[in-house]
Amino acid sequence: GQQVMQIPQYQHVQEGEDFTTYCNSSTTLSNIQWYKQRPGGHPVFLIQLVKSGEVKKQKRLTFQFGEAKKNSSLHITATQTTDVGTYFCAGSSNDYKLSFGAGTTVTVRA
Amino acid sequence: EADIYQTPRYLVIGTGKKITLECSQTMGHDKMYWYQQDPGMELHLIHYSYGVNSTEKGDLSSESTVSRIRTEHFPLTLESARPSHTSQYLCASSRTTGYNEQFFGPGTRLTVL
Repeated sequence: GQQVMQIPQYQHVQEGEDFTTYCNSSTTLSNIQWYKQRPGGHPVFLIQLVKSGEVKKQKRLTFQFGEAKKNSSLHITATQTTDVGTYFCAGSSNDYKLSFGAGTTVTVRA
Repeated sequence: EADIYQTPRYLVIGTGKKITLECSQTMGHDKMYWYQQDPGMELHLIHYSYGVNSTEKGDLSSESTVSRIRTEHFPLTLESARPSHTSQYLCASSRTTGYNEQFFGPGTRLTVL
């Protein structure tokens, strides 16, 4: 089955700095989704990317889908304490099942 | 906020007990899912359903079973709980058409002693 790899596993960021988390799939994806899980909470949908090379922005978050539809990235600028949590990418290949990456857990130093 | 509910939120039980984790959604979604997640780890799909009377096993082998008799209800049952079943269980649902984003319930944190 498809596997989705996500790096880094942990990201310790100084408040105000930027960082990027990366997601790679062993197979071509029909779409990729990103979720955020706050400590003690449940995953919450952030965005879905469908088109090759697609870029979407949500305020300080920029999501990108690779040209080959096998990789994706999430870039956060000017990190704030509200960005703390685990960010998961999840890929789908022509069905409604999602394969989740291991997540990037973000901590912020004030 | 998504309308998907899970009960109980926390459960501590002894080995060998039979348990049922409840999941209900009021969004009319056809597709529902059960994930297992250990603290700080990735989500593993253990069961899914594409509609009433449809259930499939997920990517992670699980000793649990599920049923889908009604669209809104997708309970998960463990016939004989063991300490290895200690984990968080997350239920989710998604639409049939358009964006297939998944809406997650708050989860059930299960501890088997």
